[in-house]
Amino acid sequence: AQSVSQHNHHVILSEAASLELGCNYSYGGTVNLFWYVQYPGQHLQLLLKYFSGDPLVKGIKGFEAEFIKSKFSFNLRKPSVQWSDTAEYFCATTDSWGKLQFGAGTQVVVTP
Amino acid sequence: KAGVTQTPRYLIKTRGQQVTLSCSPISGHRSVSWYQQTPGQGLQFLFEYFSETQRNKGNFPGRFSGRQFSNSRSEMNVSTLELGDSALYLCASSFELGTGDHEQYFGPGTRLTVT
Repeated sequence: AQSVSQHNHHVILSEAASLELGCNYSYGGTVNLFWYVQYPGQHLQLLLKYFSGDPLVKGIKGFEAEFIKSKFSFNLRKPSVQWSDTAEYFCATTDSWGKLQFGAGTQVVVTP
Repeated sequence: KAGVTQTPRYLIKTRGQQVTLSCSPISGHRSVSWYQQTPGQGLQFLFEYFSETQRNKGNFPGRFSGRQFSNSRSEMNVSTLELGDSALYLCASSFELGTGDHEQYFGPGTRLTVT
């Protein structure tokens, strides 16, 4: 079954620093990968998704992710974070039915 | 376009009681999925409904059940509540799952506290 794992559970960084969150997926045929974000007190929002095509995916709020098949990775990046990027970030994949399998999540805290 | 709505937003129940949560998907979406979010277990899939039929089910006991109505609205029921059922219950809607359009839109969740 498809699954994802996230390497970091907590990340603390200063504003303007670069962010990279790791996500590895298990091989299971067709790969559908997502990054979701959950801001404090808000609902889960889709940042970006990869189904096929260009492995460099650009999402909302300046985020991007790169699908590297040889490394089974789908890392999330942002060149310069803001305080408003403080949130929990989830990597996810889906099975053939579309059932989302989430990683454990990474709590990101951006300090002013 | 209105988003996914869930009611109620907050709920406090006692052990042994039952609870029903409601989810209204985005207009035109026919698939509704439910997820449980807890600090210890993270986000876990409960079940998915499409055209009033449960198509997929996660690893939860039979106390957790759901249904979907002809207008795609969905309800989730938990019977004989246990303390461990305290969680944020998220509903997500999608136009269709399993066809390549796997994007799901989440509601704000219902925070259930069992005392």
